[in-house]
Amino acid sequence: AQTVTQSQPEMSVQEAETVTLSCTYDTSENNYYLFWYKQPPSRQMILVIRQEAYKQQNATENRFSVNFQKAAKSFSLKISDSQLGDTAMYFCALAQTGNQFYFGTGTSLTVIP
Amino acid sequence: GAVVSQHPSWVICKSGTSVKIECRSLDFQATTMFWYRQFPKQSLMLMATSNEGSKATYEQGVEKDKFLINHASLTLSTLTVTSAHPEDSSFYICSARDAGRTGGKGNTQYFGPGTRLTVL
Repeated sequence: AQTVTQSQPEMSVQEAETVTLSCTYDTSENNYYLFWYKQPPSRQMILVIRQEAYKQQNATENRFSVNFQKAAKSFSLKISDSQLGDTAMYFCALAQTGNQFYFGTGTSLTVIP
Repeated sequence: GAVVSQHPSWVICKSGTSVKIECRSLDFQATTMFWYRQFPKQSLMLMATSNEGSKATYEQGVEKDKFLINHASLTLSTLTVTSAHPEDSSFYICSARDAGRTGGKGNTQYFGPGTRLTVL
């Protein structure tokens, strides 16, 4: 069975600092995709970053980067130079080809001015 | 690109009435759309997977006769909550996969802004 675990229900970070959100997953498939989504107070789910499992290089999107450890089934999100607008719920998700998403329980991140 | 709209954004209805929520992919075609329900401070719970031109696939525990899903075109899926009751009050979110893309982008879900349903 596929599972996604986010072990940090809440985190906080000072503005301009760096924070890392953890995510581990389990799947028996070799071809899959991993995502981080952000859900701000507006509740609109926004794609932050995407990683294809067959790619060894870690994905980056501006201030957001991941540390993808395939053998350890770990997919952490690093946010650099945190901004107030980064305050949100962050969900890690696993998708297998053509199939549904499996979401983690989320991490509530607060950026402190 | 990859914008998904959802309408209405909020609705209040009386118990026993039916409510229809529309989900549209605005700039891409979506052969597959998903409907989720989200309770406060919780993760998304998949209700059903909607495929264009065929019957939706419902998750275990979701009543298909209560939550009617129609995916009549490549850009539109609707969720109708029939005979709504207060326990159906929730935040409903749709998402769509871009059929025109492959690999990681083809497996990415793009989400609508959600609909807050309140049943009195």
